[in-house]
This record gives sequence, structure tokens and C-alpha cells, in this order.
Amino acid sequence: NAGVTQTPKFQVLKTGQSMTLQCAQDMNHEYMSWYRQDPGMGLRLIHYSVGAGITDQGEVPNGYNVSRSTTEDFPLRLLSAAPSQTSVYFCASSYSMRVANEKLFFGSGTQLSVL
Amino acid sequence: DAKTTQPNSMESNEEEPVHLPCNHSTISGTDYIHWYRQLPSQGPEYVIHGLTSNVNNRMASLAIAEDRKSSTLILHRATLRDAAVYYCIYSDGLTFGKGTHLIIQP
Repeated sequence: NAGVTQTPKFQVLKTGQSMTLQCAQDMNHEYMSWYRQDPGMGLRLIHYSVGAGITDQGEVPNGYNVSRSTTEDFPLRLLSAAPSQTSVYFCASSYSMRVANEKLFFGSGTQLSVL
Repeated sequence: DAKTTQPNSMESNEEEPVHLPCNHSTISGTDYIHWYRQLPSQGPEYVIHGLTSNVNNRMASLAIAEDRKSSTLILHRATLRDAAVYYCIYSDGLTFGKGTHLIIQP
């Protein structure tokens, strides 16, 4: 039972480079989201999706793009990486869009460094 | 965004009970209260959630105040493996604050 799988686990980029962080879940969850966590801080929501073809912005969306072509996958794209995007990125999913009575399942994270 | 208030850190001894408080004075009547924890170098994991009445599971208990403006996560017998950051959230779960860093002394 894989749950939420994130790849890669570690990545180093140069300023201006682009890359895609991958997130996949095998639980048929409708809701998926991306968070970033800076040292000593809580998690801040970047983007989220309530189903295939539907995405929306979270608290800190600037510099990131997402798409949701399938229920299983929710990639996060950095179009032109900046040092301020150095962080640990977590993908999460839950059965329905409202977390109200559903638990969030998190991936193990991607540690990104932008030089 | 939904906001909760938690102490920055707490310390307890191994095999003793731990009570982690959370204030959520702006909670609405339909918001569930969730607790997650994050072990070092891992993603957050679900601990427990509830709406009005107290809840128990194999990991912990959740005590919810009658006015629902606060709640307490109870670890009945802390172990070293319970050392983590504990987050209290509600509403759509969009905002995780800094949480409480729980330190367990052997």
C-alpha cells in the first residue's frame, strides 16, 4: 500500500532552472495539495485540487504552477527557481475536498535547494 | 484562514501522561478539530480528530471543551518515539501553524 509518493526526495537547482516535483496517490482521493515548510515554520499551502481538472491557489502560490489531469497525480512545477523557494515540499491527499471529517495523508517530502 | 494557538514547546518525562493544549476561539459549529504530528525528517501524520465529544483511538485521546474554543490532545503514556511537533488544525485544514514541539526526557 504505497499511499502518497513524492519524487525526488532531494533536488538541487540553480537559480532560473525549472523542474517538476512529482506527487502520486493510489487511494483514489479527490483532494490533493502541496505545502512548503521552511525551517522552524509550520506548513503553508501552495496549491490544491478538489478533483481532476480543478485546481486553486493556496496561501503562497507565486512561482508555482500545478495541473491535475488524473485523479492519481498532482505535479508541482517551478518555472524559474529562486533561492527563496529553498524549502521542504510536502504533498497531501484526502478522500474529499473538505478535510472537515477526513484525514490528510502526507508524502515523505522533497527537500529542494536553490543555489 | 482558520487560526489556532498552541505553546511553542512542551517537555515531559517518559511513561508519564502529556496534555497538549490548543485554543481555537473562532471555530464554527461545523468545524472538526484535527491533530497531526510530524516526526523528525518525516511528513505529518494524522493523530486524531473530533467534533464535539471526546474521542479515543490507539494513539491518543482528544478532549474538547464544552464551548469548543479549546481542545487538549492527551498522550496517556509518552514514549521517546512520541517526540515530535504536534499540530492542531480545523476548518479546511489549509493552515498549519508552528505547532508544539514535544520533548520527551528519558
